[in-house]
Amino acid sequence: AQKITQTQPGMFVQEKEAVTLDCTYDTSDPSYGLFWYKQPSSGEMIFLIYQGSYDQQNATEGRYSLNFQKARKSANLVISASQLGDSAMYFCAMRDAHLTGGGNKLTFGTGTQLKVEL
Amino acid sequence: DAGVTQSPTHLIKTRGQHVTLRCSPISGHKSVSWYQQVLGQGPQFIFQYYEKEERGRGNFPDRFSARQFPNYSSELNVNALLLGDSALYLCASSLISGATSSTDTQYFGPGTRLTVL
Repeated sequence: AQKITQTQPGMFVQEKEAVTLDCTYDTSDPSYGLFWYKQPSSGEMIFLIYQGSYDQQNATEGRYSLNFQKARKSANLVISASQLGDSAMYFCAMRDAHLTGGGNKLTFGTGTQLKVEL
Repeated sequence: DAGVTQSPTHLIKTRGQHVTLRCSPISGHKSVSWYQQVLGQGPQFIFQYYEKEERGRGNFPDRFSARQFPNYSSELNVNALLLGDSALYLCASSLISGATSSTDTQYFGPGTRLTVL
């Protein structure tokens, strides 16, 4: 079974600084996808970034980058130049594409609450 | 373009009642997934539908059921509500289902917050 582990329940960062949110995963599937989502207090899950297991380069999307270390089974999210609006819960998730009906699902970690301070 | 929409936004029910939650996917998306998120945890997968067929089911009791309509919108039904069903119910849509690339990225709606008293 797939498993996602986020060991940082909460993180603080100063505005304009960079922050790294940790994520480790466990799977026996050679083909997998890793996702990061942001969940503000309003509740909506906002997609940030995707990394495929066969992607040669680390994914980047604006201020977000994914530090993908396949051998260590880690997929850490790096947010550069933090802004007050980055304060939210961040979830790492893995895609399981082998459901009985041919579909897929996301398995989420427990999340990291990020607080950006002035 | 409109994102995923869900209705209602909030709902209060009592134990034993039935509830129906609705979801409209992003235009052009044919797959809808449902997740339950209880306070302090990550979302848990309930169902996935693609082209009106169930493509995946999570570890939830038979009290939970869903369907997808020809316009790709979806309903989640929960019967005989229990206190433990209180949660945020998230709907996500994706272009397709079962892919192993970024094309199946799931985009979430704002959720329906269900409280069972």
